[in-house]
Amino acid sequence: GESVGLHLPTLSVQEGDNSIINCAYSNSASDYFIWYKQESGKGPQFIIDIRSNMDKRQGQRVTVLLNKTVKHLSLQIAATQPGDSAVYFCAENWPGTYKYIFGTGTRLKVLA
Amino acid sequence: NAGVTQTPKFQVLKTGQSMTLQCAQDMNHEYMSWYRQDPGMGLRLIHYSVGAGITDQGEVPNGYNVSRSTTEDFPLRLLSAAPSQTSVYFCASRERQNEQYFGPGTRLTVT
Repeated sequence: GESVGLHLPTLSVQEGDNSIINCAYSNSASDYFIWYKQESGKGPQFIIDIRSNMDKRQGQRVTVLLNKTVKHLSLQIAATQPGDSAVYFCAENWPGTYKYIFGTGTRLKVLA
Repeated sequence: NAGVTQTPKFQVLKTGQSMTLQCAQDMNHEYMSWYRQDPGMGLRLIHYSVGAGITDQGEVPNGYNVSRSTTEDFPLRLLSAAPSQTSVYFCASRERQNEQYFGPGTRLTVT
């Protein structure tokens, strides 16, 4: 069985409600940020990205907000569906290092 | 395109054994990385490469070696396996500051 993410913070939402997943990043100089979704037993899958010269970016049913003042990212999922149940990670690109550094993740549970 | 492939999917080693985790990508990406994922720890960067012949250390490089002789391949070598290296290992590739594609992972247990 899947042992990854046993101790992750969990967000439970009702199907059809909006979800907001938060992430605090570490490096104030990071200039590129990504949100990933990881389903049980699979590798992380790209959801949406944002560059530091933007505050907001929208995709299909997802929106990412960037607050550089407090080093905070959020992922908003509209009309959450059962298929959205997964662990969500944010990642930041440390400038000049080519490194993508990941946060610890949040488990999203969608309640029917 | 197969994307990013990893072998093996599962592996059990005894303490002190060595092995190589294979990773290949067919997207002609410059950048490749290895991560390990432990329960509650997210993904931690082990080593990465920005092109053939160029590698560098990530957050947790001790006990691992990498090489990049071709654009396509980026193997990860465990020199002398320890129980602390029990984890799920993911390889990833991307083109510069862009979307990063992950392989399916290798689940390693060291007894």
